[in-house]
Amino acid sequence: GQQVMQIPQYQHVQEGEDFTTYCNSSTTLSNIQWYKQRPGGHPVFLIQLVKSGEVKKQKRLTFQFGEAKKNSSLHITATQTTDVGTYFCAGPGGAGSYQLTFGKGTKLSVIP
Amino acid sequence: EAQVTQNPRYLITVTGKKLTVTCSQNMNHEYMSWYRQDPGLGLRQIYYSMNVEVTDKGDVPEGYKVSRKEKRNFPLILESPSPNQTSLYFCASSASGGAVDTQYFGPGTRLTVL
Repeated sequence: GQQVMQIPQYQHVQEGEDFTTYCNSSTTLSNIQWYKQRPGGHPVFLIQLVKSGEVKKQKRLTFQFGEAKKNSSLHITATQTTDVGTYFCAGPGGAGSYQLTFGKGTKLSVIP
Repeated sequence: EAQVTQNPRYLITVTGKKLTVTCSQNMNHEYMSWYRQDPGLGLRQIYYSMNVEVTDKGDVPEGYKVSRKEKRNFPLILESPSPNQTSLYFCASSASGGAVDTQYFGPGTRLTVL
C-alpha cells in the first residue's frame, strides 16, 4: 500500500539555526498535508499542497511540493523554541482513497 | 467553539475488559477517523467513516470496532483489550474526505491495558 517516508526521525538544532524535514512517497500524490504536534498535544494542521512544484510560506516556514508530486519538504528558517514539536507529512492512501497516510514524523528539539 | 472532544482522556484497564472511547465533533463534518500513535511508528489510521453508517478499515483495524449512528459521534470500541493496544488514541474529523481536507484532531486518549 501507500507509504510515506519521512526523514530525519530526530533533529536537534541550536536556536537560530535552520531546520528541514523531508517527505517521500512511493507513489504520486494528489496532495500532501503537513501537521505539527507540540509535546503533549495533538496534531494541528499547518498546510496543504496540491500543485506540482508548489511553494508556500507561513512566516519562517516554507513548504515545497516536488515537481513529480512524490516528495515534499518543510523548511524552518532561524528556529525558535516555539518551533519544538513533531512535524508530520500526510498523503492520500491511494488514488481516490479517503484514507490519509502519515509519515512517522520528525521530532525537532531546539536548544536555547 | 469548533472542536473534537474525546472521553476519557486517560484510561487504565485490564486485559479483556470491554471499553469504549467516545469521540464527538460539533462542526457538522462528514468524515471522522481514529488513529493510534506509538513511539517510532507515527500516526496509524484504525478506522474511518465517510458518513453516517459508512465505515471502512484503516491500516490497523484488528481488535477494534467502530460505529457511526449519528453524524457527530464516532465511538471506538475495544471488545477485548490486550496489552499491545496500549497507546495514545486520536479521533479526527474533516469536512469531506480525509485525504483532501484539513483534519481536526481531538486532544487524545491515553490508554493503558494491563
